[in-house]
Amino acid sequence: RKEVEQDPGPFNVPEGATVAFNCTYSNSASQSFFWYRQDCRKEPKLLMSVYSSGNEDGRFTAQLNRASQYISLLIRDSKLSDSATYLCVVNMGTARQLTFGSGTQLTVLP
Amino acid sequence: DAGVIQSPRHEVTEMGQEVTLRCKPISGHNSLFWYRQTMMRGLELLIYFNNNVPIDDSGMPEDRFSAKMPNASFSTLKIQPSEPRDSAVYFCASKRGQLNYGYTFGSGTRLTVV
Repeated sequence: RKEVEQDPGPFNVPEGATVAFNCTYSNSASQSFFWYRQDCRKEPKLLMSVYSSGNEDGRFTAQLNRASQYISLLIRDSKLSDSATYLCVVNMGTARQLTFGSGTQLTVLP
Repeated sequence: DAGVIQSPRHEVTEMGQEVTLRCKPISGHNSLFWYRQTMMRGLELLIYFNNNVPIDDSGMPEDRFSAKMPNASFSTLKIQPSEPRDSAVYFCASKRGQLNYGYTFGSGTRLTVV
């Protein structure tokens, strides 16, 4: 089993749609969680951290379920510029480094 | 803030040649990470340094790979001899303080070994 698993997609959605991505992680001792965004042929960039109580940043909402070891990202009113690969990222227990999922590809269509 | 600076941006080399990738972390960041990204395997951590000291190199694929961080502002990843299967994008990332703030990545070096 992969340490961080994501549905690779691709997700093709029309502008204005709501889309949700899911991610599961294997280490129950994981402490920190993030969503990164990676545009084609670019570096990954931090989109948002994921907090236990859930958190929102504009059109983006992240949720964490520690009991199920599950993280989600919801994008509302999707824009063409949201087209990218979304990476689920976890700090695996006491390790200092982050472990990246393989990413979910999103294409927002006009 | 200049961000994490990597060089070269692109490298094409022949099998068997030595390749050196360079990284300058963000000033004040005390941890530095080298990742490799391929379509098949995604982002893989190769090695990371904390305060210039290598902490975990278990991701380095084999002895052909070596990394150094002689000071807080510079790190190298060397492949000798290079092989076609080393073709990938190599990212350097740095962070400061608590992990909750995540990493900042450089623009990457796209390596092609022919």
